[in-house]
Amino acid sequence: ELKVEQNPLFLSMQEGKNYTIYCNYSTTSDRLYWYRQDPGKSLESLFVLLSNGAVKQEGRLMASLDTKARLSTLHITAAVHDLSATYFCAVDMTGNQFYFGTGTSLTVIP
Amino acid sequence: ETGVTQTPRHLVMGMTNKKSLKCEQHLGHNAMYWYKQSAKKPLELMFVYNFKEQTENNSVPSRFSPECPNSSHLFLHLHTLQPEDSALYLCASSLYTGQGREPQHFGDGTRLSIL
Repeated sequence: ELKVEQNPLFLSMQEGKNYTIYCNYSTTSDRLYWYRQDPGKSLESLFVLLSNGAVKQEGRLMASLDTKARLSTLHITAAVHDLSATYFCAVDMTGNQFYFGTGTSLTVIP
Repeated sequence: ETGVTQTPRHLVMGMTNKKSLKCEQHLGHNAMYWYKQSAKKPLELMFVYNFKEQTENNSVPSRFSPECPNSSHLFLHLHTLQPEDSALYLCASSLYTGQGREPQHFGDGTRLSIL
């Protein structure tokens, strides 16, 4: 069974600071997704990364994928309070298997 | 408006009850999913339907029974549940093409409590 590990699990950061969330997975996969979940809300898709070296950016968030290292990162630039949420990575195996990480709960402090 | 609608939002039931969760999408997607989200555990994939056909059952107990009558509707029938089944149940849908799956769109979930 594939394992998906995220770290840190909890992250408290000040506004304006930069930080990176890491997502490691234990075997090869077709593609990797990042999702955001606000408290009491549904999951919202942020990025899908399809190949080694893929980089996607949206606003203050940038995601990258290194398939050789089985690692994806979600980099936060100049954090603002609106980014406070739980962020999940998810790995799509060949076929019909999806494995989610445990999530990183991000709190941005003014 | 997420595009994926789940009902009910909250459900409290006894262990001997039978109930059903409903999910509906009008996004033109051809794949639908049920997930279980418990506190302090990763999101768990329960069932996958591609083009209305169940393709995956991740060792889910038989007290959970899915039904997908068409590509827009998905049900999860519940009977004789256990207290550990209390969780948030999320439905999702996506487009499945020859190149793979597009990101999933999730509903708001049904918060299930077993007494």
